Amino acid sequence: QVQLEDSGPGLVKPSETLVLTCNVSGDSISTYFWNWVRQPPGKGLEWIGSVYYSGSTNYKDSFRSRVTISVDTSKNQFSLTMNSVTAADTAVYYCARERRRMIRGDLSIWLDSWGQGTLVTVSS
Amino acid sequence: QSVLTQSPSTSGTPGQRVAISCSGSSSNIGRNTVNWYQQVPGTAPKLLIYNNNQRPSGVPDRFSGSKSGTSASLAISGLRSEDEADYYCEAWDDSLNGRLFGGGTKLTVL
Repeated sequence: QVQLEDSGPGLVKPSETLVLTCNVSGDSISTYFWNWVRQPPGKGLEWIGSVYYSGSTNYKDSFRSRVTISVDTSKNQFSLTMNSVTAADTAVYYCARERRRMIRGDLSIWLDSWGQGTLVTVSS
Repeated sequence: QSVLTQSPSTSGTPGQRVAISCSGSSSNIGRNTVNWYQQVPGTAPKLLIYNNNQRPSGVPDRFSGSKSGTSASLAISGLRSEDEADYYCEAWDDSLNGRLFGGGTKLTVL
């Protein structure tokens, strides 16, 4: 059974760069799409972007200019790099595995496994 | 603007049936499948329903999903205290070329 463990600094200063890593165990990263989702305190879930094991990425428009999601197949992990963070980036960040399947002619996409979440606070 | 709209909160008593709705548009629910996630406060989201109405292994059949046009619904029958959580719908949006989450519905079991 796949397990995802996200890790990173709990505190980042404004204007600095946030780097989070998600370690995947129990399955090869070279099969699926991998996502980052965040949740500001007391608010809902927000998709940030995804990466395929080949390195192909897709980002939410509002993050495209300052976010990079990368994959390291040799370490079976993927990472999120977010530049120029502000207090508005304070949130719990989750990594998640994406499943895709053609079901009766339609492409079905869902997030089936999630990391435990890392709280990142942006503050000086 | 592409959004998925959910009621902020709902409630029910043990044993009751409740339904949580998710309203979208032709670029998301109207064209793509809907997923539902359950999030107990302080924990990571958990997949509850995928592909509109499919339950992952281990999810009780008290939980069911449906979709019609640009709306979807999650039904919980035989409500239990442990069902108290936040519930999120999610779908791919073709206009955004990205994943959309609803704002979440907080379910309180009275």
